[in-house]
Amino acid sequence: QVTMRESGPALVKPTQTLTLTCTFSGFSLTTSGMCVGWVRQPPGKALEWLARIDWDDDEFYTTSLKTRLAISKDTSKNQVVVTMSNVDPMDTATYYCTRIRYLSRAERYYYMDVWGEGTTVTVSS
Amino acid sequence: DIQMTQSPSTLSASVGDRVTITCRASQSVNNWLAWYQQKPGKAPKLLIYKTSNLENGVPSRFSGSGSGTEFTLTISYLQAEDFATYYCQHYNNYLFPFGQGTKLEIK
Repeated sequence: QVTMRESGPALVKPTQTLTLTCTFSGFSLTTSGMCVGWVRQPPGKALEWLARIDWDDDEFYTTSLKTRLAISKDTSKNQVVVTMSNVDPMDTATYYCTRIRYLSRAERYYYMDVWGEGTTVTVSS
Repeated sequence: DIQMTQSPSTLSASVGDRVTITCRASQSVNNWLAWYQQKPGKAPKLLIYKTSNLENGVPSRFSGSGSGTEFTLTISYLQAEDFATYYCQHYNNYLFPFGQGTKLEIK
């Protein structure tokens, strides 16, 4: 059974760096085709994909936030960490980590098949 | 970047109804489209991937179709547990744009 769990601070001050950790089980991030991503959802608003890290260490970021985001993995701990620098109250949201996988080696279509419960982050002074 | 737009934003329906939600892409895309269901206070759940493939365990009353710029999610016989918000999402060029969501309400 695949599980994803997010952890991190509930409250962060503006201009600080937010660090969130995803701890997962039931799969290995060294297996070809396996990835972990982050998605956020401001209160009452839509989902927004943020970042993804792949089994082969490739990293991808949403265009609008790529200068503020960094994603990394620790395969020995089954953890993925995302940092967001210079946070603003607009970054207040629930942050989800997701397992992302591709359909096959021949068809590199990626989709999010397992989600964590999410962690709520408020940016406020 | 490709934008995904869903319609309607809100849909009122009754148990037993057949409903369709539409997702339109800002340009013609391949069929790398997924649908997710989200209930209040819960994480999204994958329903359909690659336009029409049902995820394991998802009831067969859910179906997806489409091509080009228009994709649809159909629920053939609404059950009480289907009232939720639905999101489409495309995958292209390493990006995962989501639609803005469609809230399915009880009439």
